[in-house]
Amino acid sequence: DIQMTQSPSSLSASVGDRVTITCQASQDISNYLNWYQQKPGKAPKLLIYDASNLETGVPSRFSGSGSGTDFTFTISSLQPEDIATYYCQQYDNLYTFGQGTKLEIK
Amino acid sequence: QVQLQESGPGLVKPSETLSLTCTVSGYSISSGYYWGWIRQPPGKGLEWIGSIYHSGSTYYNPSLKSRVTISVDTSKNQFSLKLSSVTAADTAVYYCAGSGTTPGFDPWGQGTLVTVSS
Repeated sequence: DIQMTQSPSSLSASVGDRVTITCQASQDISNYLNWYQQKPGKAPKLLIYDASNLETGVPSRFSGSGSGTDFTFTISSLQPEDIATYYCQQYDNLYTFGQGTKLEIK
Repeated sequence: QVQLQESGPGLVKPSETLSLTCTVSGYSISSGYYWGWIRQPPGKGLEWIGSIYHSGSTYYNPSLKSRVTISVDTSKNQFSLKLSSVTAADTAVYYCAGSGTTPGFDPWGQGTLVTVSS
């Protein structure tokens, strides 16, 4: 089984800050990685697929990078509506989610 | 626009079988997407349960494989989840989701809370 390790598990930042979340796979998954945003009481929303491709309609302040085992998700300028929990997910071999990163406003 | 809606009992007794259905609208379920179930225990993270392809092939989370069955009813444009021998640890919000235009799960249903309790 492929394990996904996200860090940090929680993060507090100010509006306008650059925010970075990392996700590490237990083995090489090439670029088979997605990022989701989940707001309280809502279903997750796909933001980025194939590690770096922005889903249609997703603001350009969101971005992703990486390949192999190490991946990064970045919000270039944090907005109040970005408060949510973010998950990475691999799909190289079945599917596995990271444990999530809860993002709060400082 | 593809939309998904989960339905099924909100309360299941321990040792019984949890059964949920996902109704798909705006797309023919047999046309090419693949369909999946994901769950989220209260206050915890996401866990993929399993997926079914338009061909009928199924793939399950190894940790749940012995208890899970996912099937498709093309006549009703629905796919279903059965999880047997449930315990309190299976209490969660259960989501159905589709994947087709991109390799991620999109769209998702709104989710349905299933509580396992006597």
